[in-house]
Amino acid sequence: EVQLVESGGGLVQPGGSLRLSCAASGFTVSSNYMSWVRQAPGKGLEWVSVIYSGGSTYYADSVKGRFTVSRDTSKNTLFLQMNSLRAEDTAVYYCARAPPSGTYYDFDYWGQGTLVTVSS
Amino acid sequence: DIQMTQSPSSLSASVGDRVTITCRASQSISDYLNWYQQKPGKAPKLLIYAAFSLQSGVPSRFSGSGSGTDFTLTISSLQPEDFATYYCQQSYSTPITFGPGTKVDIK
Repeated sequence: EVQLVESGGGLVQPGGSLRLSCAASGFTVSSNYMSWVRQAPGKGLEWVSVIYSGGSTYYADSVKGRFTVSRDTSKNTLFLQMNSLRAEDTAVYYCARAPPSGTYYDFDYWGQGTLVTVSS
Repeated sequence: DIQMTQSPSSLSASVGDRVTITCRASQSISDYLNWYQQKPGKAPKLLIYAAFSLQSGVPSRFSGSGSGTDFTLTISSLQPEDFATYYCQQSYSTPITFGPGTKVDIK
């Protein structure tokens, strides 16, 4: 059974850092296209970043230079390192899988989400 | 960036109603269009990919159509479990963008 479990969210001050994890089971992270998508409270969905199976990474302009997506193949886990956090980064962060058979962005499995709150 | 719009932003409907939600892209995206359903406090769920392909396990009352810039999600007979917010998403180019959502609630 495919499962994604995020962790690492919490309360952080503006300018601070946080590292999110997304532990996968039932499939191999490095063989799929893995994205982070966030949702601010009461708002819509915003794509944040992707790591391709080949290792290429892409980011939304709103987080470029501050966030870094990576993976650990031995742990079958996806990460999102978030630095220089701002109030507008407050959101539930989801990791999502896109299988290699699609367009790289057909998110067929999602985690339950982890809440990041940036506030002093 | 490709902008996605949806209409209506919300609608009220009854069980058994036929419901149609439209999505428009700011430029042609061929058929690189997905639809998701999200219930409060839950992660989105993929319903339709590539404009009209039904995701495995999704009831056949859901269907998608369109290409280029204009797309439609149709629920042929609304069921109680379908009350939720629906998002379209373009998978044509990065940055990937979602529509603002359409909330379907009970009339």
